[in-house]
Amino acid sequence: DAKTTQPPSMDCAEGRAANLPCNHSTISGNEYVYWYRQIHSQGPQYIIHGLKNNETNEMASLIITEDRKSSTLILPHATLRDTAVYYCIVLVQGGSEKLVFGKGTKLTVNP
Amino acid sequence: ETGVTQSPTHLIKTRGQQVTLRCSSQSGHNTVSWYQQALGQGPQFIFQYYREEENGRGNFPPRFSGLQFPNYSSELNVNALELDDSALYLCASSFRTGGWSPLHFGNGTRLTVT
Repeated sequence: DAKTTQPPSMDCAEGRAANLPCNHSTISGNEYVYWYRQIHSQGPQYIIHGLKNNETNEMASLIITEDRKSSTLILPHATLRDTAVYYCIVLVQGGSEKLVFGKGTKLTVNP
Repeated sequence: ETGVTQSPTHLIKTRGQQVTLRCSSQSGHNTVSWYQQALGQGPQFIFQYYREEENGRGNFPPRFSGLQFPNYSSELNVNALELDDSALYLCASSFRTGGWSPLHFGNGTRLTVT
């Protein structure tokens, strides 16, 4: 079973920031938080990952709470092409790399 | 760089038949994983191959088997197909070193079992 909890769906206006929450209250000290997304009819795409510090790349920012029990993925300026299912996954880095996907959050960006 | 490619894109089989799905890893990648995604669900891990050996398996029966070739391409074989095997089958590759690299997924093969 997935070790994360995400809202099933969210809406966001084009050009605004999209903030996608994830709860992972049972996360272990050596588990990273990963985010992938899956655009319709495509395979999942890696977005970002982090351990305990906030991370930013060209796609998104990841904010992890100090107790590491939850995190938020931020898409700073959402576009229509960001409409997708977003998956939050916790995983020990360097292990079997077996990703355990939940049902994710369906983000719809509206014009 | 060439991404992960899967073939065929769509396939229709009859219950009881056997099927082989193919995957070409992204250039430079040495590890391949297979996932099954039922409609409306997240992908489920089937197994992973590294250096042509199975390196981890999910909760799938033995009729799901695989191969990894010296060029790191891979096959997923499913015997005695059942209706519940209808799904999107995703292949993902990565480069295993002392560190970590993200999984790069193909766009999958849509299998329909009738």
